[in-house]
Amino acid sequence: DVKVTQSSRYLVKRTGEKVFLECVQDMDHENMFWYRQDPGLGLRLIYFSYDVKMKEKGDIPEGYSVSREKKERFSLILESASTNQTSMYLCAVVSSSTDTQYFGPGTRLTVL
Amino acid sequence: GENVEQHPSTLSVQEGDSAVIKCTYSDSASNYFPWYKQELGKGPQLIIDIRSNVGEKKDQRIAVTLNKTAKHFSLHITETQPEDSAVYFCAVLNTGGFKTIFGAGTRLFVKA
Repeated sequence: DVKVTQSSRYLVKRTGEKVFLECVQDMDHENMFWYRQDPGLGLRLIYFSYDVKMKEKGDIPEGYSVSREKKERFSLILESASTNQTSMYLCAVVSSSTDTQYFGPGTRLTVL
Repeated sequence: GENVEQHPSTLSVQEGDSAVIKCTYSDSASNYFPWYKQELGKGPQLIIDIRSNVGEKKDQRIAVTLNKTAKHFSLHITETQPEDSAVYFCAVLNTGGFKTIFGAGTRLFVKA
């Protein structure tokens, strides 16, 4: 199985701060995803990347950006955190041979 | 675009009983249907999946059925145990694309 790690389990930031969430995989998969998870809304796609330096907007990209400089690492950036970005953030990696998504443990971000 | 509806949002069963969670989707081109289990404090984990050329798949106490004509698929858990308590997500993917669409989730409680 793919191991997906996320830089922090819990994070508390202030409004207006720049926030970096990092995701690292231990395999060589091209496709990586960032989701946010909110009660009753399921998982919503923020951004995804299908190769180094490639990125595509998901369903809710506003207020976020991403960076993929190395294949194993996909970063989510909140340029200026706002309280409505308080959420659980999940990174996922997809095996193109099986279509299976492997998720990291999540980062619970609180913006005060 | 694809829309996935999942029911019920909450399900409570007695240990040993069966649990059934249903999902409907809208895009007939969708061809991959995974189910994920999310335990408290963890990321979702794949528990079973089915592809459009198969009507049913079973793995020990877990089974998934797919009705492509009616565009719905279901997760069946038999002989439930307290450790089955978690949030379950259905998902839908057209493997020609990148985006997996998730249901809103079902919180399953198994009472001992």
